[in-house]
Amino acid sequence: DVKVTQSSRYLVKRTGEKVFLECVQDMDHENMFWYRQDPGLGLRLIYFSYDVKMKEKGDIPEGYSVSREKKERFSLILESASTNQTSMYLCASLAASYNEQFFGPGTRLTVL
Amino acid sequence: TQLLEQSPQFLSIQEGENLTVYCNSSSVFSSLQWYRQEPGEGPVLLVTVVTGGEVKKLKRLTFQFGDARKDSSLHITAAQPGDTGLYLCAGGGYGTSYGKLTFGQGTILTVHP
Repeated sequence: DVKVTQSSRYLVKRTGEKVFLECVQDMDHENMFWYRQDPGLGLRLIYFSYDVKMKEKGDIPEGYSVSREKKERFSLILESASTNQTSMYLCASLAASYNEQFFGPGTRLTVL
Repeated sequence: TQLLEQSPQFLSIQEGENLTVYCNSSSVFSSLQWYRQEPGEGPVLLVTVVTGGEVKKLKRLTFQFGDARKDSSLHITAAQPGDTGLYLCAGGGYGTSYGKLTFGQGTILTVHP
């Protein structure tokens, strides 16, 4: 079974803080993704990475950056957290066949 | 931009009833995934369909991929309270978009005992 883990299930931060969300997968997948999920807006792609040190912007990259130094780990960084970044953050990794993405349990981030 | 319209957005039914959720698009997808998500958790992959006209069954759940690979449906027979959750469909891209998914908005299903 594919296992995708995220560093925190719940996180509370203050406006202006730098926030790191980490994601680790154990299946040697090359592609990894970060989404945010908000009621009424569905899942929106923030960034994805198709190899170590490679990244591409998704649909809503503003206010975020990412880091992929090792194949199994993909980090999402909020340089200066703002209240409109309060959301559920989901990491996923992609199996080679059939576009199957496997998700982590999510991090519920609240920015006060 | 590919869009995937999922309907209905909300479904509230009694235990034992049948239901169908639809995903429709004007775009062709290389594959279509269905996920189920419980509150506070990440989506869990239920099934992947890849061939036009394909039908897959998972116990009381039946998934169908349209002949033209633009639409899909999820049918649940004799729904149970344990089926309650958010159901998401997601279409897989081609070529340079391979690996990226287009998600529907989701269907929130509530099954009352």
